[in-house]
Amino acid sequence: QKEVEQNSGPLSVPEGAIASLNCTYSDRGSQSFFWYRQYSGKSPELIMSIYSNGDKEDGRFTAQLNKASQYVSLLIRDSQPSDSATYLCAVNTGYNNNDMRFGAGTRLTVKP
Amino acid sequence: NAGVTQTPKFQVLKTGQSMTLQCAQDMNHNSMYWYRQDPGMGLRLIYYSASEGTTDKGEVPNGYNVSRLNKREFSLRLESAAPSQTSVYFCASSSLAGVRTDTQYFGPGTRLTVL
Repeated sequence: QKEVEQNSGPLSVPEGAIASLNCTYSDRGSQSFFWYRQYSGKSPELIMSIYSNGDKEDGRFTAQLNKASQYVSLLIRDSQPSDSATYLCAVNTGYNNNDMRFGAGTRLTVKP
Repeated sequence: NAGVTQTPKFQVLKTGQSMTLQCAQDMNHNSMYWYRQDPGMGLRLIYYSASEGTTDKGEVPNGYNVSRLNKREFSLRLESAAPSQTSVYFCASSSLAGVRTDTQYFGPGTRLTVL
């Protein structure tokens, strides 16, 4: 069983729509959760981090965490073509950054 | 401000050859990491260095060695390359070890092909 699972996609949404990206993790003791965006051929860059149950909003992005269900999601409102990228879910399973586990990523395409 | 830099950007090796991937950061970060990224598998940690003078194994260390040369530089060495090591390699750094909320910053990556 993979530690961090994401739908590989591709997920396609029209411009202006809400894109919903989902991630589940297996280690119930996981402490912190991250969403990275990775454009094709580029390195990952951090979009959001979340540590407590509930929602965290930053501009057009909202991260949602449900530790009981071992589920974390990312909502992108008013999706733009520039949001087209692969989104990586990362879960820190311990108290050190060496315990980070990444999902394989979901490829998002926003169509004009 | 360059952030995290990696050299080379691309490399082709023959099976059995050796090479060293270089990484440097100018953010005065304590911790540095080497990951590999393969299609369908996400990023996997090879080795990390929590602070200058220390290194430790990650999830997939076999076939690799590392050196934390100083606070800025962290190199990854393949002693005898194998086709299974064909991958994209990312170096990352973060400011503090042992802080769960810390952000990792990634370099541009090295695309390695082993024939």
